[in-house]
Amino acid sequence: AQTVTQSQPEMSVQEAETVTLSCTYDTSESDYYLFWYKQPPSRQMILVIRQEAYKQQNATENRFSVNFQKAAKSFSLKISDSQLGDAAMYFCAYRSPYTGTASKLTFGTGTRLQVTL
Amino acid sequence: KAGVTQTPRYLIKTRGQQVTLSCSPISGHRSVSWYQQTPGQGLQFLFEYFSETQRNKGNFPGRFSGRQFSNSRSEMNVSTLELGDSALYLCASSLGWTGHEQYFGPGTRLTVT
Repeated sequence: AQTVTQSQPEMSVQEAETVTLSCTYDTSESDYYLFWYKQPPSRQMILVIRQEAYKQQNATENRFSVNFQKAAKSFSLKISDSQLGDAAMYFCAYRSPYTGTASKLTFGTGTRLQVTL
Repeated sequence: KAGVTQTPRYLIKTRGQQVTLSCSPISGHRSVSWYQQTPGQGLQFLFEYFSETQRNKGNFPGRFSGRQFSNSRSEMNVSTLELGDSALYLCASSLGWTGHEQYFGPGTRLTVT
């Protein structure tokens, strides 16, 4: 079974600065998908970024980028130019592409990000 | 496009009762997944439906069940509620069930007293 570990329960960043959230995972599969989701106080889970394991290029979405290290099974999220609206709980998630398990997202325990002035 | 909608948003039930939660996916999405979120257990997968068929099920007791209708709308039912069922129940929809992103609804906050 796959597991996802987020070792930073809380992180803090000043507005306009850069912060990196860590995520490691364990799997025996060679192909899979990784995601970062953001859950603000409203509790709505919002997809931030997605990475396919077969792609070597790191995904980027505006101020959000990932550092995907497949051999190390590491998938960190970098937020540049942090904004107050980035304050939220961030979850790293794994998804298998294989029939029967593909629908299931396995989540980490989350990292609470605070953004200060 | 309208996002995933869930009703009701908040619910208070008494132990022993049953409850039904509803989820309407994004138009055109055929897959609906359900997750339970609690402070102690985090986010856990309940089950997933695709084209009215349950495709995958998490490790939850039989009191938790669901179904999907021909219009892709899904319902989740919990019978004989226990205090431990108090949680945020999240529904997510996607186009298919391999590799597609899952988009989440706002959740239903269930409190069991």
